[in-house]
Amino acid sequence: QQPVQSPQAVILREGEDAVINCSSSKALYSVHWYRQKHGEAPVFLMILLKGGEQKGHDKISASFNEKKQQSSLYLTASQLSYSGTYFCGTSRGGGSNYKLTFGKGTLLTVNP
Amino acid sequence: EAGVAQSPRYKIIEKRQSVAFWCNPISGHATLYWYQQILGQGPKLLIQFQNNGVVDDSQLPKDRFSAERLKGVDSTLKIQPAKLEDSAVYLCASTGGGRGETQYFGPGTRLLVL
Repeated sequence: QQPVQSPQAVILREGEDAVINCSSSKALYSVHWYRQKHGEAPVFLMILLKGGEQKGHDKISASFNEKKQQSSLYLTASQLSYSGTYFCGTSRGGGSNYKLTFGKGTLLTVNP
Repeated sequence: EAGVAQSPRYKIIEKRQSVAFWCNPISGHATLYWYQQILGQGPKLLIQFQNNGVVDDSQLPKDRFSAERLKGVDSTLKIQPAKLEDSAVYLCASTGGGRGETQYFGPGTRLLVL
């Protein structure tokens, strides 16, 4: 079951904040966030495991609400380098059941 | 540490031709994935290997796609015969296991079928 991401696209000015959401109708084991720039491979940002946790590094953080099966990615004081398409990938199990299903992505554009 | 390597980076073929992509995962990573990413969409899992065995190939169009991972290291994905709708980026990823099992992606092979 493909997770649903929102919004589909967002345009920011440098220094503004953004929130990208990812939701699933099924119980999740983990949520992974990736950023992909045009013509490049997806780059891993962070992973959140069931148990409802929040993570962050620098000005990018994320949360995972296990009860709602929702994850949010928070980008604060955005920089030009944050531009790209953000994907969430969800897994319903670990071990041999571990496989990611990706959302359609959120295109983030940061302008000067 | 070297990342996931893929080749070729670009390939243009005509429909009904065959094509093969190669992937070398991060050293020591037991699990290898092949994804298909159509323009404007997220990656879609085609096949997952654990060492040299197939764990999941439920979304692999087996009438035209095949993949192997001999000796549990590098892998080859083949399409024969190719269709127009196979135009996409083919991404390879690997993971070393453990809690969380972060997947690391290669640069991908961009395929255009004319």
